Amino acid sequence: QSALSQPRSVSGSPGQSVTISCTGTSSDVGGYNYVSWYQQHPGTAPKVMIYDVDKRPLEVPNRFSGSKSGNTASLTISKLQAEDEADYYCCSYGGSDTWVFGGGTKLTVL
Amino acid sequence: QVQLQESGPGLVKPSETLSLICTVSGGSISSTYYYWGWIRQPPGKGLEWIGSIYYSGNTYYSPSLKSRVTISVDTSKNQFSLKLNSVTAADTAVYYCARRIDGTSHYTWGQGTRVTVSS
Repeated sequence: QSALSQPRSVSGSPGQSVTISCTGTSSDVGGYNYVSWYQQHPGTAPKVMIYDVDKRPLEVPNRFSGSKSGNTASLTISKLQAEDEADYYCCSYGGSDTWVFGGGTKLTVL
Repeated sequence: QVQLQESGPGLVKPSETLSLICTVSGGSISSTYYYWGWIRQPPGKGLEWIGSIYYSGNTYYSPSLKSRVTISVDTSKNQFSLKLNSVTAADTAVYYCARRIDGTSHYTWGQGTRVTVSS
């Protein structure tokens, strides 16, 4: 069971949109609609932003959206704001009652 | 609103057993709607799923850690625990306890506790 693949870093200017990818296999991302995304600011615990591929908790702004195509899931953040600067991690069900995380992506708001 | 709080030693010697407890407040650990788990983050690195438990005691572990991990639940104290034996420096990390809603990929996290393995 290998970690999901994410770009190490992405960046964007305020007001722009960015997309973070999360690539797995047919045994995890591609096999189930159980992908979630977490935002982590330095020194704090991760916070769920998207779950079950495209569901958004009530407290998360609708600027955050999720999708999946094949073995790759994506998190899109529109209308970037300074407070969006953080690390983002994807997580997928890996089968056999196991879960796997991505390596994380550092988002820089320019 | 549920809150999860990790507790345990911040320093463990190599070859010994790391033991942590997660105390759940604002909700019952015996609820049929949730799974309870542990996730860790080595310094400067990504997240790693360790394992999880259902209130009934059914456990599920990461294949890479299965031989060294035990997760248990104490419903009378509304707590669940992690034991990781034969630790090395590679087990140094922030350890998070978390709750997952059954049938979803939605995790809610505790604040985390830093554990260092060193003599």
